[in-house]
Amino acid sequence: DAGVIQSPRHEVTEMGQEVTLRCKPISGHNSLFWYRQTMMRGLELLIYFNNNVPIDDSGMPEDRFSAKMPNASFSTLKIQPSEPRDSAVYFCASSRIQGMSEQYFGPGTRLTVT
Amino acid sequence: DQQVKQNSPSLSVQEGRISILNCDYTNSMFDYFLWYKKYPAEGPTFLISISSIKDKNEDGRFTVFLNKSAKHLSLHIVPSQPGDSAVYFCAASAKWTQGGSEKLVFGKGMKLTVNP
Repeated sequence: DAGVIQSPRHEVTEMGQEVTLRCKPISGHNSLFWYRQTMMRGLELLIYFNNNVPIDDSGMPEDRFSAKMPNASFSTLKIQPSEPRDSAVYFCASSRIQGMSEQYFGPGTRLTVT
Repeated sequence: DQQVKQNSPSLSVQEGRISILNCDYTNSMFDYFLWYKKYPAEGPTFLISISSIKDKNEDGRFTVFLNKSAKHLSLHIVPSQPGDSAVYFCAASAKWTQGGSEKLVFGKGMKLTVNP
């Protein structure tokens, strides 16, 4: 079974540009999570969805960030406009709502904003 | 305000010896705790978990201990192997607490190096 798939793996963009990160969760998982990892703040939750519905977006840093989950097999995280301080590794993870809380992570997207 | 703390950034041990990784938390609503392992350029992978109704959970070479009164948990790896060298994250959730959530709060991680 394929794990969580993220694309692109690396993204380099200039300040002010729009960036879209993509995630395909594991089939059958009904929770999806977006995380950001930086040296300063570690691994922090940005937003999570249950059954495609956003449940908690309190970690989204500001209005420049938005996330959507149009169906059970696809989610996007968009940054518009991007800034150098957005440079980080962004992870997507998925899990089943029922049962234990093990989340399965994708390989991450390394974003560099110059 | 860090709710999950891994106070030591790194640990180096000899192959075959025990590795002990520590984690402290401040939120008494947390009722489920997990350890993840992360290799460079990969996402974190789930290692072992424990719910607050237990004080120990064992899986092969990995054992997690929970001390609720001290709000402390630890991961023991015995015997340590060079392939265990990675960054280890402690995480916690209030999954079954009233108003509970799927949300995991992570520590900043600890780099374990196991020397051959």
